Amino acid sequence: EIVLTQSPGTLSLSPGERATLSCRASQSVSSSYLAWYQQKPGQAPRLLIYGASSRATGIPDRFSGSGSGTDFTLTISRLEPEDFAMYYCQQYGTSWTFGQGTKVEIK
Amino acid sequence: EVQLVESGGGLVQPGGSLRLSCAASGFTFSNHWMSWVRQAPGKGLEWVANMKHDGRERYYVASVKGRFTISRDNAKNSLYLQMNSLRAEDTAVYYCARSPAGVPAAHFDYWGQGTLVTVSS
Repeated sequence: EIVLTQSPGTLSLSPGERATLSCRASQSVSSSYLAWYQQKPGQAPRLLIYGASSRATGIPDRFSGSGSGTDFTLTISRLEPEDFAMYYCQQYGTSWTFGQGTKVEIK
Repeated sequence: EVQLVESGGGLVQPGGSLRLSCAASGFTFSNHWMSWVRQAPGKGLEWVANMKHDGRERYYVASVKGRFTISRDNAKNSLYLQMNSLRAEDTAVYYCARSPAGVPAAHFDYWGQGTLVTVSS
């Protein structure tokens, strides 16, 4: 099983700042089969990024994904008030597993 | 508009059974792999099971193998999860999720709102 470790656990930032979230895999993720999701309290997750760097339909371009192999990054260039939420990475190259999440909170 | 609506959750005693349903609309259901993903209270996401669009392949997370069965009825645009021998650690919100058409191993592009399963005596 591929284990995904997200860091940091919590990121405290102000609106307008840049957020950098990390997702590290215990072994290489084939074909960059990595996705990122955003989840707000009481809501279902929403797909942001797939294939490590492709934005899903309707996702603003302030969200970007990068990385390959075992190290992946989600970057939010300038935080908007609605971006404060939980973020999960997921690999789907070998079975399907999620990271434990990073909470982006208002500083 | 793509819609996924789960139902069937509730309170069940340990060792009991429950059947979840997911009604799909707004897309050609028979073209998509479908999955169940769960989230225990205050915890992260866990993929549970998924099924190929034609029903010929299905996969499960190790912790539910032999207890849960995923199935689908493409004529009714519905996905199911039969859960037997339920344990306290199965308590979670269960989400139905869709993968993009024509992709065998993929991410989840649409999610339902979830149904809560509570296993407790």
